[in-house]
Amino acid sequence: AQKITQTQPGMFVQEKEAVTLDCTYDTSDPSYGLFWYKQPSSGEMIFLIYQGSYDQQNATEGRYSLNFQKARKSANLVISASQLGDSAMYFCAMREGGGQAGTALIFGKGTTLSVSS
Amino acid sequence: GAGVSQSPRYKVAKRGQDVALRCDPISGHVSLFWYQQALGQGPEFLTYFQNEAQLDKSGLPSDRFFAERPEGSVSTLKIQRTQQEDSAVYLCASSLSQGSSYNEQFFGPGTRLTVL
Repeated sequence: AQKITQTQPGMFVQEKEAVTLDCTYDTSDPSYGLFWYKQPSSGEMIFLIYQGSYDQQNATEGRYSLNFQKARKSANLVISASQLGDSAMYFCAMREGGGQAGTALIFGKGTTLSVSS
Repeated sequence: GAGVSQSPRYKVAKRGQDVALRCDPISGHVSLFWYQQALGQGPEFLTYFQNEAQLDKSGLPSDRFFAERPEGSVSTLKIQRTQQEDSAVYLCASSLSQGSSYNEQFFGPGTRLTVL
């Protein structure tokens, strides 16, 4: 079974609009972390936002916010006021375990976001 | 400051050739990961080092894949007798190892390997 599911292969949005990228996850571990990364066409993975499983509030970082619904096991990324530079592939990822630094990230298949003017 | 660097950025190999991919992590980062990213897919874990010790190599797809980090800094991923299915982007990531649940992994730009 997929541990991270991103059901939207591609999303299209106009500049200045908000967009939500979906992510659901599957784990039986009570302690885990959820990450969103952006990967432009140049290839580097850029960290955007992090949500811990015990965090009470949804994470926010500038124009990025994470809509964390623990009971539904979803961790959707919301980008407000989209910009042309937001066009990229977006990956949701999870790390299981209680903060063990050696635990690898498990990635979804990604969503391609295209922002038009 | 300097981020994670990888070299070469692009590598074309003929089937059966050996290749070596290099990763320079952020100075002081104890943890180092290698991931393989096939075209149109998310990265998949290959192996993990803590300093010079390879603590997890469960993701290496075959015994043709070998990784080392002899002095606990630079790491090399070696692929012997390359096959076409090895064509992918190989990403290296490093992180501090402080035991917090956060432990952001910083990624390098990747090496795009094409096996002909």
